[in-house]
Amino acid sequence: NAGVMQNPRHLVRRRGQEARLRCSPMKGHSHVYWYRQLPEEGLKFMVYLQKENIIDESGMPKERFSAEFPKEGPSILRIQQVVRGDSAAYFCASSPLRGAVLYEQYFGPGTRLTVT
Amino acid sequence: AQTVTQSQPEMSVQEAETVTLSCTYDTSESDYYLFWYKQPPSRQMILVIRQEAYKQQNATENRFSVNFQKAAKSFSLKISDSQLGDAAMYFCAYRSAGQGGSEKLVFGKGTKLTVNP
Repeated sequence: NAGVMQNPRHLVRRRGQEARLRCSPMKGHSHVYWYRQLPEEGLKFMVYLQKENIIDESGMPKERFSAEFPKEGPSILRIQQVVRGDSAAYFCASSPLRGAVLYEQYFGPGTRLTVT
Repeated sequence: AQTVTQSQPEMSVQEAETVTLSCTYDTSESDYYLFWYKQPPSRQMILVIRQEAYKQQNATENRFSVNFQKAAKSFSLKISDSQLGDAAMYFCAYRSAGQGGSEKLVFGKGTKLTVNP
């Protein structure tokens, strides 16, 4: 059973460009979470999605950031007009739904975004 | 809002010795989960151990065990017989468990563990 897949692993963008980060959850997992890790910091929650539905986006910056998890295909975290402060590691995690109780979150390897 | 505090930015231990990493948290909820994650230099987040708040018994996973003190809101991780491969950043994390609670993980800032040969 393949783990959570993220691509690309490393992404370099110039200021003002768009960044698209992809996350394929583990097989059978219907919930995806995105977290951001700034240098020397812990992970900070950004957004929680089910297929075709955003459940909690309380950690998402109000501008330039968006996320989706379509019926088919990976979840996408999109950052428009990137700035140097967006440079960070972005982690995706997925979890299954077992009855009414959500289980542990399994993390992907992360995408390291560098804005030059 | 819930917060997680790890007061030890760095710790070191001799190989084969025991080390304890501290974690405290703040919440008004009675039902929640607590986790310890390991992040080696590869940056992959690896779940080490988890504890359900309603369980009084401390969780153990091989050389890893926790000391969960619910009243004190403390959740420390003990690593016994430390190995070189245990060297990593360790993050304590909190997650609500109740109906209607957010499923997000709230992380501490981490403790960097060095294992000396």
